[in-house]
Amino acid sequence: AQTVTQSQPEMSVQEAETVTLSCTYDTSESDYYLFWYKQPPSRQMILVIRQEAYKQQNATENRFSVNFQKAAKSFSLKISDSQLGDAAMYFCAYRSAIVPGAGSYQLTFGKGTKLSVIP
Amino acid sequence: DTGVSQDPRHKITKRGQNVTFRCDPISEHNRLYWYRQTLGQGPEFLTYFQNEAQLEKSRLLSDRFSAERPKGSFSTLEIQRTEQGDSAMYLCASSTSGRGETQYFGPGTRLLVL
Repeated sequence: AQTVTQSQPEMSVQEAETVTLSCTYDTSESDYYLFWYKQPPSRQMILVIRQEAYKQQNATENRFSVNFQKAAKSFSLKISDSQLGDAAMYFCAYRSAIVPGAGSYQLTFGKGTKLSVIP
Repeated sequence: DTGVSQDPRHKITKRGQNVTFRCDPISEHNRLYWYRQTLGQGPEFLTYFQNEAQLEKSRLLSDRFSAERPKGSFSTLEIQRTEQGDSAMYLCASSTSGRGETQYFGPGTRLLVL
């Protein structure tokens, strides 16, 4: 079974600064996807960024980028130019890329990192 | 595309009562997932539908839980004889088929069992 570990329960960052959230995972698979989801207080979870394991290039989405180290099984999220609206719980998630038959692409989540942005 | 919706958003019930939650996925999405999120934890997979067929259940889904997706559209999750340990956020997500799928989440139903 796959596991996802987020070792930072809480982080804070000054507005306009850069912050990096850590995520490590354990799997025996070689083909998989990794995701960062954002869950603002009392609001729904939204996808921030995703990475396919077979793609060596790190994914970027505007101010969000990842550092994907496949051999180290590490998948960190960097938020540049932090904004007040970035304050939220951030979850790292894993899922297999290949499932048997009509199996599910269920996500395995870490426990999350609560990010605070200081004005 | 109006997103995934869930109803109700909040539910308070007494132990032993039955509750039912509804999820309306994004209209063209044929895959639907239910997750449970307890305080301080990430979401955990409960069950999965492809169209109207329930194809996978987690061991977390005890026999007090039942889920349906009639006609492959909306889905319901029912909990019978609720227990205090059932208190959690119940999240629904939908996606289209394929290895590259991305799951889109609803706002969740927060259940409190007294």
